[in-house]
Amino acid sequence: EPEVTQTPSHQVTQMGQEVILRCVPISNHLYFYWYRQILGQKVEFLVSFYNNEISEKSEIFDDQFSVERPDGSNFTLKIRSTKLEDSAMYFCASSEDSSNEKLFFGSGTQLSVL
Amino acid sequence: AQTVTQSQPEMSVQEAETVTLSCTYDTSESDYYLFWYKQPPSRQMILVIRQEAYKQQNATENRFSVNFQKAAKSFSLKISDSQLGDAAMYFCAYRRYSWGKLQFGAGTQVVVTP
Repeated sequence: EPEVTQTPSHQVTQMGQEVILRCVPISNHLYFYWYRQILGQKVEFLVSFYNNEISEKSEIFDDQFSVERPDGSNFTLKIRSTKLEDSAMYFCASSEDSSNEKLFFGSGTQLSVL
Repeated sequence: AQTVTQSQPEMSVQEAETVTLSCTYDTSESDYYLFWYKQPPSRQMILVIRQEAYKQQNATENRFSVNFQKAAKSFSLKISDSQLGDAAMYFCAYRRYSWGKLQFGAGTQVVVTP
C-alpha cells in the first residue's frame, strides 16, 4: 500500500532556530495536512493545503509557521523561530480528492526544542 | 464549533474478550464523517474504521465495529476477540467535509492482558 513518508523521524533543535519538516505525500493525492501532538495530549490540526495554497489553518498556525510544496512531490512545514512549546510529534497527512475522505498519515517527526 | 469527547482515559480487556470505547461529539451539521484511529507505541496514526453520517448502517472492519447513534451524537467502537496487538491509544475523530480537518478526541488507552 502507498504511504506518506516523513523525514527526519526525530529532529533536535535549539530554541530560536529554524526547522523544516519534510513530507512526501502519496503521489496522486491532492489535499495535504499537518497535525501535531504534544506528548500525552490530543492530536491537533495545524493547516490544510490544496492547489498550492492554504485552505484552512488553526490558531496554532501563526506567523512562525509556513508550508510549501516546492517541487510537486515534497510538502514542508517550516517553523521560523522555534519555542520550547513547539516540541511535539508532527504528522503529515494526505488524501486523494474531495470525494475520498480517507486520510493517510505519515509516521511523524518528533521535534525536540531545547 | 465541533468537539469530540472520549470520557474513558483507559480501558483494560483480557485477550479474546470484547471492549467498547465510547465517543460523543457535538455538531450542528447533518452530514459529516467519523473515524477511529489507532496509535500504537510507534505513534503512527492508523485508520481503524470510518462512518459516513448519512449511512444508517454501522460500519464493520473484521473484529472492529461501531455503534453509530446519530441522534445521540454517539460513536462507540467495539473491539471483539481482543488481541495483544490491539493494545494502543485509540482516537475518535470528526470531519465535516471529506477534504476538511480532522478533530480528535483526547484518546482512550486500551490495555490488553493475557
